[in-house]
Amino acid sequence: GNSVTQMEGPVTLSEEAFLTINCTYTATGYPSLFWYVQYPGEGLQLLLKATKADDKGSNKGFEATYRKETTSFHLEKGSVQVSDSAVYFCALRAVGGATNKLIFGTGTLLAVQP
Amino acid sequence: EAQVTQNPRYLITVTGKKLTVTCSQNMNHEYMSWYRQDPGLGLRQIYYSMNVEVTDKGDVPEGYKVSRKEKRNFPLILESPSPNQTSLYFCASSFTHSTGRGGYTFGSGTRLTVV
Repeated sequence: GNSVTQMEGPVTLSEEAFLTINCTYTATGYPSLFWYVQYPGEGLQLLLKATKADDKGSNKGFEATYRKETTSFHLEKGSVQVSDSAVYFCALRAVGGATNKLIFGTGTLLAVQP
Repeated sequence: EAQVTQNPRYLITVTGKKLTVTCSQNMNHEYMSWYRQDPGLGLRQIYYSMNVEVTDKGDVPEGYKVSRKEKRNFPLILESPSPNQTSLYFCASSFTHSTGRGGYTFGSGTRLTVV
């Protein structure tokens, strides 16, 4: 079945450090891939998405590239800020499936220290 | 403002006392869904609805009920809550006709504690 695996946290970085959060997936066909962010005490917000191979999603300085050959969608940011501290979820949505279900990874807590 | 509204935000209840968590969206989305979030498990789908009067089980439906009498509302019902239903719950909605390319809009969450 479809699944998402992302690196376990917490990830602790100093401000202005480079961020990578790994995400790999298993899916039939060509799913859409997403990164969601959850700030403390809030719901999930869509951070970025990619809908086909080699697409690059980007938003707020974050980027992720849909790599079909490695079934990966790693999240990167060149210089993190304290305000980026949050839980990040990788997710996929199977195209053409009957349920339109989003399948999530377990989440990665990012803590950025000043 | 386009949004998904859940109520209440926080709820503490006792085992066996029926409760309802409400969810409403103002975006005319056909698709609505409930998820629970637990540490180390991510988000797991409880129930979903493709449209009015069309609902189906997700991955963890035991102990929950839903209804979809109107397009905008999708309440989650716990007939006899138990401590293992203590969790953070999210409602989400989406257009079905987006051919599966779009993401969801999430509510702010309901933190439920069953004692």
